[in-house]
Amino acid sequence: DVKVTQSSRYLVKRTGEKVFLECVQDMDHENMFWYRQDPGLGLRLIYFSYDVKMKEKGDIPEGYSVSREKKERFSLILESASTNQTSMYLCASSRQREADYEQYFGPGTRLTVT
Amino acid sequence: AQKVTQAQTEISVVEKEDVTLDCVYETRDTTYYLFWYKQPPSGELVFLIRRNSFDEQNEISGRYSWNFQKSTSSFNFTITASQVVDSAVYFCALSEPFMDSNYQLIWGAGTKLIIKP
Repeated sequence: DVKVTQSSRYLVKRTGEKVFLECVQDMDHENMFWYRQDPGLGLRLIYFSYDVKMKEKGDIPEGYSVSREKKERFSLILESASTNQTSMYLCASSRQREADYEQYFGPGTRLTVT
Repeated sequence: AQKVTQAQTEISVVEKEDVTLDCVYETRDTTYYLFWYKQPPSGELVFLIRRNSFDEQNEISGRYSWNFQKSTSSFNFTITASQVVDSAVYFCALSEPFMDSNYQLIWGAGTKLIIKP
């Protein structure tokens, strides 16, 4: 059974803290993605990675960074959390070939910054 | 630019009614993929279907069916005889190529479906 796991389901942090969100997939997928989900805005891509140590900015990268040191793990880092980063964060992974393209999602991390 | 529009923010129906969720897309690519995902209250998005741009046949899977029409750039999703377990947020998405043979997805805003008992 394919699996994407995220380190926390719920997280509460203070403004200014450094926050790490971890994502691990066990499907040997090349691509990994971090999305942010807010009501009425759908899923917005923050960053994605298509290989180890390779990353590309998505639509809303400001205030975030990422790290991919191993193929199975993709971390999202909030260098200095702010209240406007309170949101649901979703990690996903996929193969690169067209025929296997669908993205597999983790359960999400609901982050509250106070 | 590519875009996916799900104009229905929220739909509420009584159990056993049929319901259709609309998805309209914009793309200049000739080859593309369209997707539907379901997000139940638990939060994890679940893949429902993928359709490529060369296959306009309608798809039926149990109570679910999808109508893909290139002429109107639409990929609508119908649930027949809805059940309370169908309550979820449903997302439509469109593939966007980047680099060689790699893709990312452009997402609609989602439609929240409420099925009342």
